[in-house]
Amino acid sequence: EIVLTQSPGTLSLSPGERATLSCRASQSVSSRYLAWYQQKPGQAPRVLIYGASNRATGIPDRFSGSGSGTDFTLTISRLEPEDFAVYYCQQFGSSLTFGGGTKVEIK
Amino acid sequence: QVQLVQSGAEVKKPGASVKVSCKTSGYTFISYNMHWVRQAPGQGLEWMGIINPVGGIITYAQRFQGRVTMTRDTSTSTVYMELSSLTSEDTAVYYCARDKKEWDYNWFDPWGQGTLVTVSS
Repeated sequence: EIVLTQSPGTLSLSPGERATLSCRASQSVSSRYLAWYQQKPGQAPRVLIYGASNRATGIPDRFSGSGSGTDFTLTISRLEPEDFAVYYCQQFGSSLTFGGGTKVEIK
Repeated sequence: QVQLVQSGAEVKKPGASVKVSCKTSGYTFISYNMHWVRQAPGQGLEWMGIINPVGGIITYAQRFQGRVTMTRDTSTSTVYMELSSLTSEDTAVYYCARDKKEWDYNWFDPWGQGTLVTVSS
């Protein structure tokens, strides 16, 4: 099973700042099968990025994804108030696993 | 629009079973696989398994094998997840999520609203 390790666990930032979230895999993951999700309290997750770098329908362009192999990154260029949430990476390669999540909180 | 509507919250005693439904609408049911994911209170997401609505082919996550059963009813476009031998560690929100596969990419979209299952004596 591929283990996804997200860091940091919590990111404390102010609106307007840039957020950089990391997702590291225990073995190589095809970029086609790496996705990012956002989850707000009391809500189901929603997809932001699929295929490591493709924004899902309706996702603002301040969200971007990059990376390959074992290292992937989600970047939020300028945090809006509605972006404070928990973010998960997911891989579809060997079995299917999620990272432990990164909470982006207001500083 | 595509919708996944799950059954309501459940309270079960240890050792019992629970069956959660996920009724779909707005798309061709047999065209997309469905996953089940759970989330314990304050914890992350845990994948439980996938069901193919056409032939009913199923893959369960190893840690749930022997305890989980996923089924589907094509006449009502509904998928089901049944978990047996419940313990307090099974207290969680259970989600269904459609496997959106396009151009050899995979992602989950949309998700059901979630069903809280509480296991308590």
